[in-house]
Amino acid sequence: KAGVTQTPRYLIKTRGQQVTLSCSPISGHRSVSWYQQTPGQGLQFLFEYFSETQRNKGNFPGRFSGRQFSNSRSEMNVSTLELGDSALYLCASSLGSNDLNTEAFFGQGTRLTVV
Amino acid sequence: GDSVTQMEGPVTLSEEAFLTINCTYTATGYPSLFWYVQYPGEGLQLLLKATKADDKGSNKGFEATYRKETTSFHLEKGSVQVSDSAVYFCALKDTGRRALTFGSGTRLQVQP
Repeated sequence: KAGVTQTPRYLIKTRGQQVTLSCSPISGHRSVSWYQQTPGQGLQFLFEYFSETQRNKGNFPGRFSGRQFSNSRSEMNVSTLELGDSALYLCASSLGSNDLNTEAFFGQGTRLTVV
Repeated sequence: GDSVTQMEGPVTLSEEAFLTINCTYTATGYPSLFWYVQYPGEGLQLLLKATKADDKGSNKGFEATYRKETTSFHLEKGSVQVSDSAVYFCALKDTGRRALTFGSGTRLQVQP
């Protein structure tokens, strides 16, 4: 069974540009969550999608957005990039039930560098 | 709100030494608790989990027990190997929430 696939693995963008990251969840998983990892703030939750609907959102500005397609693949977009957006962006997929026991499986992440 | 506190790293040990990484939490509900491991340049891998008080999660020689009375979930391993060198994250998933709350991570360095 293939794992969570994130593309691209690395990105370099200029301030003010926008970027789109992609995540393909494990087959059969309907929930996709996004996390930002930085040395200063650690791992922070961005948002979660289930059946093409955003179910939860973290405390990030509106420049961060996402969507989910009917095949459960998800994209996140960051507009008007700032230097502080440089981070490892991690995608996690799960079955999507509300069971506390449901495990989240993470991809290898996309390393975004804003210059 | 929910929070997870981990011991500061890095933790440096010699091979075959005993490992403890402390983790305490604050939650409003009855959370599930997790330990994730991150190897250099990689994403997070689930190491073990526990879903209720007194549960013990175990995997690859690592263990952690869900202690509700002390709100703790300390990670232990009896004999570490160089290949265990990584960053370890304690996390919780609280009742009614779908997001994981992570600790700041503890870097483990095991020397031969």
